[in-house]
Order: sequence, then structure tokens, then C-alpha cells
Amino acid sequence: GAGVSQTPSNKVTEKGKYVELRCDPISGHTALYWYRQSLGQGPEFLIYFQGTGAADDSGLPNDRFFAVRPEGSVSTLKIQRTERGDSAVYLCASSREAGGLGTEAFFGQGTRLTVV
Amino acid sequence: AQRVTQPEKLLSVFKGAPVELKCNYSYSGSPELFWYVQYSRQRLQLLLRHISRESIKGFTADLNKGETSFHLKKPFAQEEDSAMYYCALRRSDKVIFGPGTSLSVIP
Repeated sequence: GAGVSQTPSNKVTEKGKYVELRCDPISGHTALYWYRQSLGQGPEFLIYFQGTGAADDSGLPNDRFFAVRPEGSVSTLKIQRTERGDSAVYLCASSREAGGLGTEAFFGQGTRLTVV
Repeated sequence: AQRVTQPEKLLSVFKGAPVELKCNYSYSGSPELFWYVQYSRQRLQLLLRHISRESIKGFTADLNKGETSFHLKKPFAQEEDSAMYYCALRRSDKVIFGPGTSLSVIP
């Protein structure tokens, strides 16, 4: 079966532009997570969805970042007025359910965003 | 605050030598801890979790609540073990990752 799919795999954008990053989770997975990974660091939590609703968006760095999951499947991470500091690999993961001991999250291959 | 630390950014060992990747955590509660691995040009994947008390690819990790550690060990390193290893902690419904250790196994 297909794993978590993220598009595009690479995105180069100019400072100040708007970008959208897409995540297609594993079918049937209700929980979806976005992480950001900067060079030399571990993945940093951004936001998590349970179904259609954002259950925890405490990791979003500021109001330029927003994410949606309107039908409880595909999610889009949106970044407005991009800055060079937004350059990173954005990872998406999904799991069968949220929480629950031992629930495994499956990761996509990531979108490498470069803001020039 | 809950956090995960991995003191070594890089670790090199010879093939056949023992490996220990260190992980320490701070968490007020009963932690759920994981090790994730990322091989070259592959996606991040779960290696093992402490609640399963399993051995995966020869790796084991024991939760030591007294020392707040969850070190990853393997008695005999193989070349295919070369990868990035991330220790992680589940807090509520999200997973917090450490900064990672790059393991290089020298033939």
C-alpha cells in the first residue's frame, strides 16, 4: 500500500512569496502531524490534526503559518510572506489514531523548502 | 519542560564493535520513548519503542527512569547500521524529537 506522500519534494521560492505544501496520509489514518526539520536538528513539532480539526497547533512559529485538513484526509501547510529562516525540510506523518500507547507514526519523505 | 537530549552529534565505530547511542530526557510523568532511524535517502521510520521491550535489527534500548535515560545499544555494529538516529518522547498526542546522532560504521 502507499505510504505518506508529500508534494512537492522540493520547492524554491522567493522571500515574501506564499507557498503551499501538501501531505497525503495513509488511507484510514485519522491523525496527521506536521514537523519542520532544520539542518542538523531533529524534527520540530508544528501542528497535529485529529480528523478535520487541529487538535494542537502550539508548534506553529507565528501567524504566517497555517494548516488545513478540510476532509480529514489530505492536509496543506500554508506559509505566507516566506522568510529565509523558513528554509527547512517539512515532514508530514500520519498514524491510525492519535495518542494511545504504541501508536506508530509513518513519515513522508518530506518537502525541502528553500527561500531565496 | 519536556525535552530530549542526545549529547553526540556524530559517532563512529568499527564494524563488529559495540555501539551505544545516548539519549536523556526530561518529563514529568510516565514517559513513552522511541528510537527513530533515517537511512541515507530514506524517510524517517520507527526503530523501536520502550513499551515493546523488543530487539530490532539487533538494537535494544532500556528505559532507566532513575537516570532518565533511554540509550540505544547493539553488541556488534554492521555497516548497514550507518544512519541518523533520533530519540523521541511522546508528550500527550505529539512526539518530541532529540537533535539526532549520526552513526557511521567503519568497515
